[in-house]
Amino acid sequence: DQQVKQNSPSLSVQEGRISILNCDYTNSMFDYFLWYKKYPAEGPTFLISISSIKDKNEDGRFTVFLNKSAKHLSLHIVPSQPGDSAVYFCAAMAGDYKLSFGAGTTVTVRA
Amino acid sequence: DAGITQSPRHKVTETGTPVTLRCHQTENHRYMYWYRQDPGHGLRLIHYSYGVKDTDKGEVSDGYSVSRSKTEDFLLTLESATSSQTSVYFCAISDQGRRATQYFGPGTRLTVL
Repeated sequence: DQQVKQNSPSLSVQEGRISILNCDYTNSMFDYFLWYKKYPAEGPTFLISISSIKDKNEDGRFTVFLNKSAKHLSLHIVPSQPGDSAVYFCAAMAGDYKLSFGAGTTVTVRA
Repeated sequence: DAGITQSPRHKVTETGTPVTLRCHQTENHRYMYWYRQDPGHGLRLIHYSYGVKDTDKGEVSDGYSVSRSKTEDFLLTLESATSSQTSVYFCAISDQGRRATQYFGPGTRLTVL
């Protein structure tokens, strides 16, 4: 039973516009959340994280929002660039070192 | 980039044969992990290690074993490969601290015929 869900398998966005990726979780014990980005034939790379004591974290063009009551987080990319075309994974951690990942969302940025 | 290598990068094998995948790190990180990536599932934790000779099971450990005799090496063994173990395998490492970022290796694509 997947505890982290990314219900949109793909997202297409025009260059310069905002990309919004969504993630839902079911385990109320999760207290740390991360986003990873993955290009084909490479390993995932860490993008941004947020602790459950916060509701927003920003790093340059990337912002993660956390809504604990709704068990929902989102990643905003503004503005989207061609190099952002990749698979994005949402991940969560609950009191130990194990990460639970969502299935991923493939983002395509159109010129 | 974190110094993580995986070998082999690609392997094709037959059902019933043993297979060992190697993860090597040069970062001296304490924690090492093995994940598999499958369509529709994202990455799932197979086993992890929290020190030399200290390992524990992850979410999908059946059919896999691991060993860590040195800080820098973490081996994943499929004792008798099955077609359901066809996947892309990623190793990851992290330093001390529960919220230390996990850094991933480049992956090994394994096909079991």
